[in-house]
Amino acid sequence: SYELTQPSSVSVSPGQTARITCSGDVLAKKYARWFQQKPGQAPVLVIYKDSERPSGIPERFSGSSSGTTVTLTISGAQVEDEADYYCYSAADNNRGVFGGGTKLTVL
Amino acid sequence: EVQLVESGGGLVQPGGSLRLSCAASGFTFSSYEMNWVRQAPGKGLEWVSYISSSGSTIYYADSVKGRFTISRDNAKNSLYLQMNSLRAEDTAVYYCASGSYFYWGQGTLVTVSS
Repeated sequence: SYELTQPSSVSVSPGQTARITCSGDVLAKKYARWFQQKPGQAPVLVIYKDSERPSGIPERFSGSSSGTTVTLTISGAQVEDEADYYCYSAADNNRGVFGGGTKLTVL
Repeated sequence: EVQLVESGGGLVQPGGSLRLSCAASGFTFSSYEMNWVRQAPGKGLEWVSYISSSGSTIYYADSVKGRFTISRDNAKNSLYLQMNSLRAEDTAVYYCASGSYFYWGQGTLVTVSS
């Protein structure tokens, strides 16, 4: 299917590890991307090709993949990491699909 | 510095039309695939449309197919989205983004309401 499923919310204390999952059949064949979006701002790419980190993204952000599930891990989450996170993948025909988004609370 | 600047949003009545533009600078626009992504108020991101670097390959989300048309003018470093037969559910902030999603614009708000 071309649906991506994420938990609606994840909550951690500062300094803890936050893990956000994303599941969908397409992920077994296609790479995933992860975006961070803070209120009133455009999304920012934090992970591409399942686990690659763009320049300028802190090392505490990492990604992994297993079968039909990808995971965004924030090691030592900080208050400024509080945001909505979206996974994304594209099918063979470049039709994109976003997950429903996960609200990360760090407090 | 890479910049994508959307324009053309506004208030339009149901059934009306609007043309969005995205002006690119700071990178070789003609070498990049591009996308339009939208976000309804308080909702998640929705992929809308894709166009290849040459403009020869185009895809649309089912929700806009037959109503929206994506195009580009590489000589003008610009991306467009022609939106026809607009519906209330098309109300959203519309973002242009590079094919790799490394670059995003700040978005332009489209409101469809009578």
